[in-house]
Amino acid sequence: SQELEQSPQSLIVQEGKNLTINCTSSKTLYGLYWYKQKYGEGLIFLMMLQKGGEEKSHEKITAKLDEKKQQSSLHITASQPSHAGIYLCGADMGGAQKLVFGQGTRLTINP
Amino acid sequence: EAQVTQNPRYLITVTGKKLTVTCSQNMNHEYMSWYRQDPGLGLRQIYYSMNVEVTDKGDVPEGYKVSRKEKRNFPLILESPSPNQTSLYFCASSLLRSVGNEKLFFGSGTQLSVL
Repeated sequence: SQELEQSPQSLIVQEGKNLTINCTSSKTLYGLYWYKQKYGEGLIFLMMLQKGGEEKSHEKITAKLDEKKQQSSLHITASQPSHAGIYLCGADMGGAQKLVFGQGTRLTINP
Repeated sequence: EAQVTQNPRYLITVTGKKLTVTCSQNMNHEYMSWYRQDPGLGLRQIYYSMNVEVTDKGDVPEGYKVSRKEKRNFPLILESPSPNQTSLYFCASSLLRSVGNEKLFFGSGTQLSVL
């Protein structure tokens, strides 16, 4: 089983609608990172959360890390075609050697 | 421009023919790593390097080799590629690799097909 579970695995929304992607772990997350990937391309860093209860926003994207530091959500307000892609959460789970990643959420925006 | 550069972008090869995927970063980062991305399995770490001449295995190191002779370069070597190594490969780097403090910078990826 995955150490980081993302849900949903895919999401199709109408342009202009809000949406939320979740990232859940059974272990404490020491650093939570959100990335966006255009299909078949590299990962673009979106946000990093470190503290329980932390919330960050950039343009129309807001990410939160819960108080227990085991779950994060990514919320997009008034979605646009440019938001389409694969969203991945990555986390430090105690070891400094790597980030562990979720399977990704494939987001499609219909005009 | 600060970046991680991978080459080639696309590669088609045949079973058993040795190949190298290059990775270079211009940010003076100490930490570098290779991941592979497969449908349904997400990103899995192959090897990583905490500094020059220091490398270690990740979760899926079988069939791969790496070297870190200079800080900026971290090539991935497939001595005898097999079809199960067909995947999208990413190189990543960060200034240091301390828990919860350093984001990874990723290259654009190398799509490898082994026939």
